[in-house]
Amino acid sequence: QSALTQPRSVSGSPGQSVTISCIGTSSDVGAYNFVSWYQIHPGKAPKVMIYDVTQRPSGVSDRFSGSKSGNTASLTVSGLQAEDEADYYCCSYAGGHTLIFGGGTQLTVL
Amino acid sequence: QVQLVQSGAEVKKPGASVKVSCKASGYTFTTFDIVWVRQATGQGLEWMGWMQTDSGNAVYAQKFQGRVTLTRDTSINAVHMELSSLRPDDTALYFCARNGGGLGLWGQGTLVTV
Repeated sequence: QSALTQPRSVSGSPGQSVTISCIGTSSDVGAYNFVSWYQIHPGKAPKVMIYDVTQRPSGVSDRFSGSKSGNTASLTVSGLQAEDEADYYCCSYAGGHTLIFGGGTQLTVL
Repeated sequence: QVQLVQSGAEVKKPGASVKVSCKASGYTFTTFDIVWVRQATGQGLEWMGWMQTDSGNAVYAQKFQGRVTLTRDTSINAVHMELSSLRPDDTALYFCARNGGGLGLWGQGTLVTV
């Protein structure tokens, strides 16, 4: 099972918005509303930013939002801040208690 | 305090096995399943397996079938991940994570060096 497809990198200036795409198949992203997004800063454990496609955990800034259309999920970060610079990974449920991750996207705040 | 605490770093020779533990505290252990994820240096996150903590049933990623075994010990609220026939490319940071609100709670990671 191949990883979900994400752009290797995205960038934006402070205050701008960026969107990271996550392309799967009809067996994972397209089949379930269980897509989540993780932020990783170097040397730290991943942190969930979005779960169940659009849900934001308590404590996560409302500048982070998620959506899905067909086999593609997206994470949008609005009002970019320096602290948003990190690696971001999407993850989808793929049935039968299995998960699949994306290849990761490096977000650079210019 | 709700947390997952993993065992310490390991250094192993090729061909050996490693067992990493993940101890849960602060919540009812069998309410949430535990998954294992690894990240090699400079690489992405890779799902390894899923432990259903109430039943003890485990599902493994195809890539690791036959090499990884997940077990749980409800007496100490822990899930163990054993990886056998280690190779140098198994050198990675191994994480356990609780499945609830996405993977909403993570262990601190355990570095395994082969």
